[in-house]
Amino acid sequence: KAGVTQTPRYLIKTRGQQVTLSCSPISGHRSVSWYQQTPGQGLQFLFEYFSETQRNKGNFPGRFSGRQFSNSRSEMNVSTLELGDSALYLCASSLSQAGTGELFFGEGSRLTVL
Amino acid sequence: AQSVTQLGSHVSVSEGALVLLRCNYSSSVPPYLFWYVQYPNQGLQLLLKYTTGATLVKGINGFEAEFKKSETSFHLTKPSAHMSDAAEYFCAVRPSGGSNYKLTFGKGTLLTVNP
Repeated sequence: KAGVTQTPRYLIKTRGQQVTLSCSPISGHRSVSWYQQTPGQGLQFLFEYFSETQRNKGNFPGRFSGRQFSNSRSEMNVSTLELGDSALYLCASSLSQAGTGELFFGEGSRLTVL
Repeated sequence: AQSVTQLGSHVSVSEGALVLLRCNYSSSVPPYLFWYVQYPNQGLQLLLKYTTGATLVKGINGFEAEFKKSETSFHLTKPSAHMSDAAEYFCAVRPSGGSNYKLTFGKGTLLTVNP
């Protein structure tokens, strides 16, 4: 069974640009969450989607957005990139929104903003 | 609001020695508790979780953790460290009820295993 797949794995952008990251969850998983990981702030929750609806959102500015498609694949977008957006962006999927909430993580997309 | 505190951002042990990684949580409702491991340039892998029932939880790779409600702790242990255990470990908490299913992570503990 394939795990969570994130693309691209690495990318470099400049300030002011925008970026879109993609996440394919484990087959059958309907919940997708996104986390930002930085050395200073650690792992911070961005948002969670279930059945194409955003159910939870973290404390990030509106430049950070996401969506989920009918096949449960998800994308997140960051507009007007800032240097501080450099981070590892992790996507995680789970079988359902309820239950014990065990998350299965992808390997992440490492974004560098110059 | 929930929070997780991992005592010690860096723990160093010798191969074969006991591994003890500390985690304390704060939660207004009964929580679910998790330990994840992250190897360099990889995502997070679940080691073990506590939801309900037995408070001593066994996970993969010989790790276990004990939920102590009175101490609000969920420390991770392994009797004998192996070189392959070198990684960063994260404790996480989420509420067991309600509609908020996000995980709140601790800052992480980097485990170094010396030969």
